[in-house]
Amino acid sequence: QQQVKQSPQSLIVQKGGISIINCAYENTAFDYFPWYQQFPGKGPALLIAIRPDVSEKKEGRFTISFNKSAKQFSLHIMDSQPGDSATYFCAASPADKLIFGTGTRLQVFP
Amino acid sequence: DGGITQSPKYLFRKEGQNVTLSCEQNLNHDAMYWYRQDPGQGLRLIYYSQIVNDFQKGDIAEGYSVSREKKESFPLTVTSAQKNPTAFYLCATRDRFISGANVLTFGAGSRLTVL
Repeated sequence: QQQVKQSPQSLIVQKGGISIINCAYENTAFDYFPWYQQFPGKGPALLIAIRPDVSEKKEGRFTISFNKSAKQFSLHIMDSQPGDSATYFCAASPADKLIFGTGTRLQVFP
Repeated sequence: DGGITQSPKYLFRKEGQNVTLSCEQNLNHDAMYWYRQDPGQGLRLIYYSQIVNDFQKGDIAEGYSVSREKKESFPLTVTSAQKNPTAFYLCATRDRFISGANVLTFGAGSRLTVL
């Protein structure tokens, strides 16, 4: 299976709160799991990525949690800020391409 | 100034017309990709190319064509056979030397509207 399922479709969070976006995959051959951030009218940009041999990766306020046995991974944004308002895509990599989730539109209100 | 240049940024076309979207990169990356973005559907892969003069179909290649005559360029033609071409088109590159990780760099996109 080549799909990556992402939820929720949209998320509204108060400033300072925690934003959590979840993704699930089926193909155990996937070996690289990045998250991309996209602002309106722009192309996506790599935010953070993880490989399946670790369970967590943290970069500043952004953390990926990875559960290999459940084939799920999630993005946590701590202390969410209005500047984090964007669309977030998870992705998974089989070989030489990336398969993307359907995206989550995050809105952070002051 | 290194990067990926997509042009035009906005394009309008009439039904039945072919249109070509340009993607040029000066990152010296080997692989190039075309994705299509529609609301609620994420990014779907149209075509990709890992080396000059070679390319592979992605998940939604029907109605599209590409060429890769130069390392720097990977134009996408949206043909009249594409039944629903209105979308945001994204070009991306991958540096082969970031071993084992498909780190894609995206351009700013081209928005195509069919009237």
